Amino acid sequence: NAGVTQTPKFRILKIGQSMTLQCAQDMNHNYMYWYRQDPGMGLKLIYYSVGAGITDKGEVPNGYNVSRSTTEDFPLRLELAAPSQTSVYFCASSWTLNTEAFFGQGTRLTVV
Amino acid sequence: AQKITQTQPGMFVQEKEAVTLDCTYDTSDPSYGLFWYKQPSSGEMIFLIYQGSYDQQNATEGRYSLNFQKARKSANLVISASQLGDSAMYFCAINAGNMLTFGGGTRLMVKP
Repeated sequence: NAGVTQTPKFRILKIGQSMTLQCAQDMNHNYMYWYRQDPGMGLKLIYYSVGAGITDKGEVPNGYNVSRSTTEDFPLRLELAAPSQTSVYFCASSWTLNTEAFFGQGTRLTVV
Repeated sequence: AQKITQTQPGMFVQEKEAVTLDCTYDTSDPSYGLFWYKQPSSGEMIFLIYQGSYDQQNATEGRYSLNFQKARKSANLVISASQLGDSAMYFCAINAGNMLTFGGGTRLMVKP
């Protein structure tokens, strides 16, 4: 059972570079989420999606973009990386609003 | 928009004793779900317990129970018979309006 798979696990970016964090789930979940977690802090919602073709902004969307062309995939795009985007990024998915969210193992991103 | 507040940044508990982690929430949505997650030092997010806004009884899962007081907008987590392996960050979350929002977390440390 793969669940939610995030790639890569670690990445170092230079200021101004761009990259895409991949997230895939094999549970046919409708809801998918992207979070960032700064050291010692809670999870901040970046973007979420309630189904293929539908995305919406969360609490901290600036500097990020997402797409949801299929039910399975929900990539997060960072354009023009900044040191403030150094964080651990988590992708999650759930079947409904009232069922548990399953999390990927996270991507540790450092921008230097 | 909804909000989750966890007012205890850190707590100590003696092994085998019970501990309560506080969580208050705010939402204008009449239908919502409340969740607790555990994050050990290894970083993964582990689902513990769920409470729906229309559930009449408090949720229980093994040593975990959720003390749901709807009028007070609180959803405290009670861990009975604490174990050393319970030492971790604990996050309360609310899912309302398609968004899953997390609190800032409480670090629990279990003393032998």
